[in-house]
Amino acid sequence: EVQLVESGGGLVQPGGSMRLSCAASGFTFSSYSMNWFRLTPGKGLEWVSYINSRADTIRYADSVKGRFTVSRDDSKNSLNLEMNSLTVDDTAVYHCARQEAHGAFDIWGQGTKVTVSS
Amino acid sequence: EIVLTQSPGTLSLFPGERATLSCRASRSFGSSYLAWYQFKQGQAPRLLIYGVSSRATGIPDRFSGSGSVTDFTLTISRLEPEDVAVYYCQQYGGSPLVTFGGGTKVEIK
Repeated sequence: EVQLVESGGGLVQPGGSMRLSCAASGFTFSSYSMNWFRLTPGKGLEWVSYINSRADTIRYADSVKGRFTVSRDDSKNSLNLEMNSLTVDDTAVYHCARQEAHGAFDIWGQGTKVTVSS
Repeated sequence: EIVLTQSPGTLSLFPGERATLSCRASRSFGSSYLAWYQFKQGQAPRLLIYGVSSRATGIPDRFSGSGSVTDFTLTISRLEPEDVAVYYCQQYGGSPLVTFGGGTKVEIK
């Protein structure tokens, strides 16, 4: 079964750090570009980060640039998101998603909740 | 940045009725790069439509997409109880920079 499963969310204080992971299974992970998105009740759905299959093209939303770092480990079929200097505005459910050749995002994980609060 | 505006915010219909969801873009963006997603509580989001009108793998044919330039529509021809969800449109013409609409919540009466 083609699947993505996120982990690593939880409660963190403002200014803190957190590392999210996304475990891929059922497909050739190394062949796909991958993305992170986040969903909040107030701001809706927001694209966070992109990494292509070769990891030589990486992009971030302006809201996280300089604070978040995306990486991938194809030997472990894993996508990661290192988040630093977290603020309350980073509170969200974070989803990883596979990007298909046609450009849309065809496989998503269920998400992991990140709460930034003192 | 391309802004996508979805309407209505909430759609409440009886089972079997036709649901029409709208997505309007602030400007054109290479309009074949428009997708629709279904978000259900506690489940992984699901791609329904890509390229404006192509159904994703395994999506029932009661879901259809249409539109061009700046106006796009997702239609659910006969609403079923399992279609209760929030639906988002998304443009990916500026991929990897993508934007989403604010969502339409579909409810069953």
